[in-house]
Amino acid sequence: QKEVEQNSGPLSVPEGAIASLNCTYSDRVSQSFFWYRQYSGKSPELIMSIYSNGDKEDGRFTAQLNKASQYVSLLIRDSQPSDSATYLCAAETGANNLFFGTGTRLTVIP
Amino acid sequence: KAGVTQTPRYLIKTRGQQVTLSCSPISGHRSVSWYQQTPGQGLQFLFEYFSETQRNKGNFPGRFSGRQFSNSRSEMNVSTLELGDSALYLCASTLGPAPNTGELFFGEGSRLTVL
Repeated sequence: QKEVEQNSGPLSVPEGAIASLNCTYSDRVSQSFFWYRQYSGKSPELIMSIYSNGDKEDGRFTAQLNKASQYVSLLIRDSQPSDSATYLCAAETGANNLFFGTGTRLTVIP
Repeated sequence: KAGVTQTPRYLIKTRGQQVTLSCSPISGHRSVSWYQQTPGQGLQFLFEYFSETQRNKGNFPGRFSGRQFSNSRSEMNVSTLELGDSALYLCASTLGPAPNTGELFFGEGSRLTVL
């Protein structure tokens, strides 16, 4: 099993809808979790980090972590066309190794 | 505040050659990580340096090496290039050390094409 797994998509949602992106992880990574956004032709940028069980909200973004089920999700409320990008889930081991999923491509349709 | 700077941005090499890529982190950041990004494999971790010491290394052959200088600038080298080394090489910096080592700031990358 890979350390971090994501559905590659593509995921399409209409403008104004909620986009839900999911990520599962292995026992090897269990410390800290991150969501990065990567626009086509650009480098990844950090949008959310989450370190403990539960929800963390930042504007239109909510990260959810469930350690018992080993998944982390990202909800984007009121999706905008500018949210169209690939979203990368990343998880860190106790030894500070950071593993990335292969990313989910999101398209927000106007 | 200047971001992470990578040079060169694009380069073309032939099989068997070697290449050196450079990365200047954000001022004050002491940790530098390198990643290889390809369409099929996604982002794969190469190595991470903190205060001139390699702290972590990914699962890449010994042809891939790196180093970090006292000013936190880092270089990575790939020797005996293979076609499969064609990729976007991304450098990322962070303040370091833990617990926020996953909060990375990426450079624009160096796109390597091996012919």
